[in-house]
Amino acid sequence: EPEVTQTPSHQVTQMGQEVILRCVPISNHLYFYWYRQILGQKVEFLVSFYNNEISEKSEIFDDQFSVERPDGSNFTLKIRSTKLEDSAMYFCASSADGEGNQPQHFGDGTRLSIL
Amino acid sequence: GENVEQHPSTLSVQEGDSAVIKCTYSDSASNYFPWYKQELGKGPQLIIDIRSNVGEKKDQRIAVTLNKTAKHFSLHITETQPEDSAVYFCAANDFGNEKLTFGTGTRLTIIP
Repeated sequence: EPEVTQTPSHQVTQMGQEVILRCVPISNHLYFYWYRQILGQKVEFLVSFYNNEISEKSEIFDDQFSVERPDGSNFTLKIRSTKLEDSAMYFCASSADGEGNQPQHFGDGTRLSIL
Repeated sequence: GENVEQHPSTLSVQEGDSAVIKCTYSDSASNYFPWYKQELGKGPQLIIDIRSNVGEKKDQRIAVTLNKTAKHFSLHITETQPEDSAVYFCAANDFGNEKLTFGTGTRLTIIP
């Protein structure tokens, strides 16, 4: 069964450094998402991306965050200048369609640790 | 925006018994309600979903019911097995966009 893959599984970064998290969505999917989960808390929406542009973003997704689909397969999340509170699991998801018409499928996440 | 409440936060059930997890949502325009299972070190895995034009959906030992009037939906797992032990999240969409709002999760433990 096709799946969303994320790399790396664990990223350790010094505060203030830039970090890029990578995702390969399911190949025929058109909608891409990033969510995060702080340890022991619920999954929170960050951003959705369709047709090479952001379609929705949360208040968490400030100017320090950006997303990109640099080629036909990868979808990346960049945090420009990391803060301690950015430490969390970051999940990428994809769906064949938007607005709840098709399910969102999640990867296994990248654990980001900011020192 | 949408707000989703989930109860209980922890649930222990004897193997073979049933488990029920309940969620309420705030936005009456939400029309899509998935349930995800998250095992340790893994991402959320979709186990069942329901749309607002349906009151109940079943897939083997798992069923979901939706009450649009009361704005709540529930996950039912029958004949529980040890491999059902995990954290379960309900979610609801924001009508008109792709965002999913998640509940706070239920840690389900199946006691052998």
